[in-house]
Amino acid sequence: DARVTQTPRHKVTEMGQEVTMRCQPILGHNTVFWYRQTMMQGLELLAYFRNRAPLDDSGMPKDRFSAEMPDATLATLKIQPSEPRDSAVYFCASGLSFQRQPGNTIYFGEGSWLTVV
Amino acid sequence: KQEVTQIPAALSVPEGENLVLNCSFTDSAIYNLQWFRQDPGKGLTSLLLIQSSQREQTSGRLNASLDKSSGRSTLYIAASQPGDSATYLCAVRQGGTSYGKLTFGQGTILTVHP
Repeated sequence: DARVTQTPRHKVTEMGQEVTMRCQPILGHNTVFWYRQTMMQGLELLAYFRNRAPLDDSGMPKDRFSAEMPDATLATLKIQPSEPRDSAVYFCASGLSFQRQPGNTIYFGEGSWLTVV
Repeated sequence: KQEVTQIPAALSVPEGENLVLNCSFTDSAIYNLQWFRQDPGKGLTSLLLIQSSQREQTSGRLNASLDKSSGRSTLYIAASQPGDSATYLCAVRQGGTSYGKLTFGQGTILTVHP
C-alpha cells in the first residue's frame, strides 16, 4: 500500500537548534507539498514542488525555513534556528500533476509533530 | 487570494442522521476540490475528489457536490455512524498562476454519538 513517509514522527528540541524533517513521496508522484498545521491557523502551505522544482514557497518564513528536493524520492524541510512559535504539525503530501491535467488526489503523510521549548 | 470557508465549525448529531457539511471558496478558477478526513493525531485521508468539470462524486455513504460558478461544495453523509467522528476538511486545487496550489478550509469537527 503506497504511502507518504515522514520522519521524524515526533521531535522535541530546544530553541535555537536546527530541525530537519524528511519526506519520502509516493513513488512516481511528481508534486510535493509541505504544510504546517496549528490550532489557530489551520493548514498553511509552506512550499510546493513539481518535478523537484520549487513553484511556490511564499508561505514560508525565508529567514529560518528552507525546503529542498535533493532527488525525486526525498524532500526536506529545515528550520534554523528553531523558535517556540514553530511548534506545530508539519505535513508532507504528494500527488501527480501535469500541465494539461488538473491534477489528481493528493496523499498526506502522518505528519511530524514538532515541539520547540 | 483564495479563501475557503467551512460551515459549520462543529456539528454533533445522533447516530443514524443524514448530514451536510458546507464548503465555499472565493476564487472559482479551480481545477478540482477534494474532501479529506482527519482523525485526532493523524494525517489527512482523502475521501472524494471532484474535478472542476464534474458536479458530484459518490463513495459509499458519502456524496460530494460541486457548484463551481457559485463557489460551493457540500459533503453529504448518509446514515451517520460513531466511526464517522472526525474533522472534515475541504481543499481547492488552484488554477491560473497558482497552478496546483491546494488551499484548505478550517474544517468541520463532526461528533456522532451512539
